[in-house]
Amino acid sequence: EVYLVESGGGSVQPGGSLRLSCAVSGFTFSSFWMTWVRQAPGKGLEWVANIKQDGSEKYYVDSVKGRFTISRDNAKNSLYLQMNSLRAEDTAVYYCATGRYMSNWGQGTLVTVSS
Amino acid sequence: DVVMTQSPLFLPVTLGQPASISCRSSQSLVYSDGDTYLTWFQQRPGQSPRRLIYKVSNRDSGVPDRFSGSGSGTDFTLKISRVEAEDVGVYYCMQGTHLYTFGQGTKLEIK
Repeated sequence: EVYLVESGGGSVQPGGSLRLSCAVSGFTFSSFWMTWVRQAPGKGLEWVANIKQDGSEKYYVDSVKGRFTISRDNAKNSLYLQMNSLRAEDTAVYYCATGRYMSNWGQGTLVTVSS
Repeated sequence: DVVMTQSPLFLPVTLGQPASISCRSSQSLVYSDGDTYLTWFQQRPGQSPRRLIYKVSNRDSGVPDRFSGSGSGTDFTLKISRVEAEDVGVYYCMQGTHLYTFGQGTKLEIK
């Protein structure tokens, strides 16, 4: 069975940084694109970023370009999202998902940006 | 940017009755490879999203056959043939042809 477990969320002040992790099991991680999606409290889903199997291609939503960096470690079956210069509007539950078209999802980790 | 517009945003349905959700895109979702990357997700209350349908009409493993997807170009539909209590939640369409954009979500509840 496929498992994705996010961690690293928490509360941070505007301008601060956080690094999210997603540990996966149950499938061959190195064979799949991976995706981050977020959901602000009470709001809909927003695609954030994704990364190719070997890390050679990365794509971001415009609102996080230059501030967030997606990466992966295939040896550790792990996906990451480095978030810098955080803003209040980045407050959300962040989900990792399998593939470009999000076939499996984790339970999410909450990021709160507030002073 | 591609805008995805769902309707209705709120859908009260009687148990056992059919339900239909429309999703329209501001641009054609036909990709250069000939495929159409339109996906449907279900998010039950308090849960993570779950993919139901990919590439317009392909049902994911474990998804009941009462769920079906159809459409082409810019107009797409998710249909539930007979709504059950476990179908309560929010349904999202998403395009994956021009990067990725979700619709606003349609909240399905039981009348």
